[in-house]
Amino acid sequence: EAQVTQNPRYLITVTGKKLTVTCSQNMNHEYMSWYRQDPGLGLRQIYYSMNVEVTDKGDVPEGYKVSRKEKRNFPLILESPSPNQTSLYFCASSSPGTSAHNEQFFGPGTRLTVL
Amino acid sequence: GEDVEQSLFLSVREGDSSVINCTYTDSSSTYLYWYKQEPGAGLQLLTYIFSNMDMKQDQRLTVLLNKKDKHLSLRIADTQTGDSAIYFCAERVRAGNMLTFGGGTRLMVKP
Repeated sequence: EAQVTQNPRYLITVTGKKLTVTCSQNMNHEYMSWYRQDPGLGLRQIYYSMNVEVTDKGDVPEGYKVSRKEKRNFPLILESPSPNQTSLYFCASSSPGTSAHNEQFFGPGTRLTVL
Repeated sequence: GEDVEQSLFLSVREGDSSVINCTYTDSSSTYLYWYKQEPGAGLQLLTYIFSNMDMKQDQRLTVLLNKKDKHLSLRIADTQTGDSAIYFCAERVRAGNMLTFGGGTRLMVKP
C-alpha cells in the first residue's frame, strides 16, 4: 500500500530534550515536506526537500532541523524543544513527474506536547 | 507575498448545499487545491483546479475560481454527515510543489 508513515504518532516530552520524528514514504517520491498545524493557522511549512541531500527552509524553520540522506526518509529533529513547538506535525511527499497537479500525500500526523 | 484566508466555521443541515470560500493574494498561483481533514487523520486531496480554469465539477463537488478577485470556492451538493471535517484550501506557487494553506474551515453537518 502506497503511504507516508510517521513515528511516533503521539509524544509528550520536556523542554530541552532532543527528539526526532521520523517520516518515511514508499512511493519513490522526490519531494518531501514537514508542516505544523496550529488552530486557526492552517498548515505552515517548516522545511522541504526536493531530493536526496537537498533541503530548504519553509515558512517557520526556527528550532527545527531536517536531513535527507535517503530518498524515502525525511526525519524532523528538534534539538532543544520548547513549549511553543507543541503542535500537530505532518509529513508529506509528492512527485513532480507523476501528474500535472502533483498531489501531495500526507502522513497521519504526530501530536507533540512539550512541557 | 502569499496569504490564503478562509472562514473558520460553517454549519449546514444534512441535504443542504455547503459553500466554503477562500481568498488568496498571489496571482501567480498555478494550481489551487481543496484538502479534507477528518478527525484524527491527515489531509486528503479532495479536488483541485488549474489556474486557467473557471470551474470544475466532480460528482457532488463544484469548484469555482475567480482569478480577478482571487477567490476560490468549494460547493458540496446534498451535504451528508460524513462530509463533516475541516476543509483547507491551498495554492501552489513556489518551486518544489510547496503549498501555502489557508487556516481551514470546519464544516459541521447537522442531521
